[in-house]
Amino acid sequence: GENVEQHPSTLSVQEGDSAVIKCTYSDSASNYFPWYKQELGKGPQLIIDIRSNVGEKKDQRIAVTLNKTAKHFSLHITETQPEDSAVYFCAASIGRGFKTIFGAGTRLFVKA
Amino acid sequence: EAGVTQFPSHSVIEKGQTVTLRCDPISGHDNLYWYRRVMGKEIKFLLHFVKESKQDESGMPNNRFLAERTGGTYSTLKVQPAELEDSGVYFCASSKRENTGELFFGEGSRLTVL
Repeated sequence: GENVEQHPSTLSVQEGDSAVIKCTYSDSASNYFPWYKQELGKGPQLIIDIRSNVGEKKDQRIAVTLNKTAKHFSLHITETQPEDSAVYFCAASIGRGFKTIFGAGTRLFVKA
Repeated sequence: EAGVTQFPSHSVIEKGQTVTLRCDPISGHDNLYWYRRVMGKEIKFLLHFVKESKQDESGMPNNRFLAERTGGTYSTLKVQPAELEDSGVYFCASSKRENTGELFFGEGSRLTVL
């Protein structure tokens, strides 16, 4: 069945450093790749997404890259801040995203 | 605009008991989803409603789980009888009819089965 693998499961960085989270997906028909951030006590919230017709997308300090051939996509956070500490989930879906498959999450710690 | 709300936030029950979780989606969102995250694992799809109709329930684990969305507004997810492996955080999410892919999540209902 559809599967999304996410690495690493835990990531600790110093404030100001960059953080990279990587995901792979199994279903080559997937064409929508969102990233969600879950802060303590809250539900996951969309922070950025990318569609299969684009290789890279950037929004201020966060960027996503997509390699459809290798079925890899990544989240890059630059100049990390303590408030970036959270659990990040990558996901993949087909079409309009009615069934979204999530990775297992990466717990990011940003040390001040 | 109110977000997705879930109740209860935390429920502790004994094996064999029944629990009902409730989700109120964002007003006007036709699509409603239930997901579950078991300790440290992926957020796993359970099912999808479009208004009151079950569009996809391929992720429901077994017949101990029953989801309803009468009237196409709020939804309930009942687990009867609960087993130890049902413990986890149950998330509800909603999206607009013209779904762009973004899911709006509630804060989750943590279920602990002892």
